[in-house]
Amino acid sequence: GNSVTQMEGPVTLSEEAFLTINCTYTATGYPSLFWYVQYPGEGLQLLLKATKADDKGSNKGFEATYRKETTSFHLEKGSVQVSDSAVYFCALKEQAGTALIFGKGTTLSVSS
Amino acid sequence: NAGVTQTPKFRVLKTGQSMTLLCAQDMNHEYMYWYRQDPGMGLRLIHYSVGEGTTAKGEVPDGYNVSRLKKQNFLLGLESAAPSQTSVYFCASSRAGLNTEAFFGQGTRLTVV
Repeated sequence: GNSVTQMEGPVTLSEEAFLTINCTYTATGYPSLFWYVQYPGEGLQLLLKATKADDKGSNKGFEATYRKETTSFHLEKGSVQVSDSAVYFCALKEQAGTALIFGKGTTLSVSS
Repeated sequence: NAGVTQTPKFRVLKTGQSMTLLCAQDMNHEYMYWYRQDPGMGLRLIHYSVGEGTTAKGEVPDGYNVSRLKKQNFLLGLESAAPSQTSVYFCASSRAGLNTEAFFGQGTRLTVV
């Protein structure tokens, strides 16, 4: 079945460091791919998305490129801030277009 | 602009008790979902609905029932709560389609003792 695998955390970085959170997926067809972020005590909110191969999603300095050849959608940011501390979830929406399938989440902690 | 609203936000149940979690959305979305979030497990889909009057099982449906009598509401029921159902429950909604994002509620923290 369809699934999403994320790198395990927690990821601990100093402010202004470079961030990569790896995400790979297994799916039939051509899913849409998403990154969601969850700040402490809150629900999830969309960070960025990509809907076809080679698309790059970007938002708030974060980027991720849909790589079909490697079935990956890695999240990157060039310079993290303390306010980026949160849990990040990679997700896919299968081609039938119904449910979102999530990875297990990666906790990011940024210190000043 | 409320978005997705979950009721209640916190609840403690005794084993064997029943309860219903309510999710309401004001965005006229076709799809609605219930997830549970557990440490180290990410979000797992319990049930979902693609329209009023329709529901389907997700990854972990056992012990839960759902109903979607009105388009804007999606109810999650626990008939006989068990400690294994201690979790944070999230409701989400989205428009129909492959590329559409889901909007999440703030979550309900349920403890079963």
